[in-house]
Amino acid sequence: DIQMTQSPSSLSASVGDRVTITCRASQGITNNLAWFQQKPGKAPKSLIYAASRLQSGVPSKFSGSGSGTDFTLIISSLQPEDFATYYCQQYNSYPFTFGPGTKVDIK
Amino acid sequence: EVQLVESGGGLVQPGGSLRLSCAASGFTFSDHYMDWVRQAPGKGLEWVGRTRNKANSYTTEYAASVKGRFTISRDDSKNSLYLQMNSLQTEDTAVYFCARGYNSFDCWGQGTLVTVSS
Repeated sequence: DIQMTQSPSSLSASVGDRVTITCRASQGITNNLAWFQQKPGKAPKSLIYAASRLQSGVPSKFSGSGSGTDFTLIISSLQPEDFATYYCQQYNSYPFTFGPGTKVDIK
Repeated sequence: EVQLVESGGGLVQPGGSLRLSCAASGFTFSDHYMDWVRQAPGKGLEWVGRTRNKANSYTTEYAASVKGRFTISRDDSKNSLYLQMNSLQTEDTAVYFCARGYNSFDCWGQGTLVTVSS
């Protein structure tokens, strides 16, 4: 199975900050990488697929990059509604696997 | 509007069975792969399994943790996805989400809670 790791596991940031979350796969997954946002008690929301493509309706403050084993999610200017947990996920091979999550909270 | 609504969760004893349903609307259900993902209380996300569409013979994939105990099926005439869960264990306690398997998982239901406890 492909193991996904994320760093940091949590971070504190202020409104307006630029936030960077990294995700690493234990083996190459080309660009078959997605990012999700989840707020407490809610379903995950898809942000990015194919490493860098925004899902329909997702604001452009979110961006993704990377290929192979190393990936990055950037939130360009953090807003109050962005405080949440973010997960990466590989869909290159079965079983699909998620990273452990990065919790973004208010400084 | 794409909508996925899960149902069927509840409390079940270890060793018991439960069947979850996911009602889909707002898109051509029969065209799409569909997945189940779960989340244990306070934990991260775990993919459970997938059913492909008719064009791909409705074949399925499962996580090792549920293979042989869980079965995913679908009824395209009812726009519905199912998860039959047998031999349930306490570690199966989780919120179960259905998701459309397009561009990874582009749409999710709200989830249904399954609690396995004596």
